[in-house]
Amino acid sequence: EEQMVASGGGLVQPGGSLRLSCSASGFTFSAFWMTWVRQAPGKGLEWVASVKTDGHEENYVGSVKGRFLISRDNAANSLYLQMNNLRAEDTAVYYCARFGHYIGYYYQYYYMDVWGKGTTVTVSS
Amino acid sequence: QSVLTQPSSASGTPGQGVHISCSGTSSYMPKKTVNWFQQLPGTAPKLLMYNNNQRPSGVPDRFSGSKSGTSAFLTISGLQSEDEADYYCAVWDDDLHGWVFGGGTKLTVL
Repeated sequence: EEQMVASGGGLVQPGGSLRLSCSASGFTFSAFWMTWVRQAPGKGLEWVASVKTDGHEENYVGSVKGRFLISRDNAANSLYLQMNNLRAEDTAVYYCARFGHYIGYYYQYYYMDVWGKGTTVTVSS
Repeated sequence: QSVLTQPSSASGTPGQGVHISCSGTSSYMPKKTVNWFQQLPGTAPKLLMYNNNQRPSGVPDRFSGSKSGTSAFLTISGLQSEDEADYYCAVWDDDLHGWVFGGGTKLTVL
């Protein structure tokens, strides 16, 4: 069964740091881009960051650039999100998701088809 | 404010059909392929539709997707109580190099 399990969330003070992990199983982890998506309490989904298959390309939403770092260890089938200088507005459930990209002759499309259960990050003093 | 606009709520009675829209600008939406996600209360999102109208295996054929011009649509036919959830559309933005989500639609089955 293809699955991912996120962990590492918790309560942290403003300005603090936290490292989230996501362990993948049941599929070839190194073949897929990976992404983090978060959801603030009572709010919608927000894309946070994505990383290429080999870890050599990363993209971030503007609000976390310079504070968060996405990385992966393909040998360990694991995805990470290092979060520094945390703010109250970073409080959310963080989900990891597999990110697929199909390239056909006439068209291409993208999808996020396997999601982890989420881990909760609370930034508060 | 997302570039993808969804109605905040929708409703229907069991057995009915319901449409949920996801709208963008004329310069943006036509070039995108749309994903739809279902999020049941307290759970992770689940991919319901990709490439506008393709269902992953395991998704009932009561769910269908379409896209025309500046809008995409998720249609649920034969509504069931277990369809009560939040539904989100999303696209990959090549310029942003990131995913863009709609604000979400809360579906209530009356």
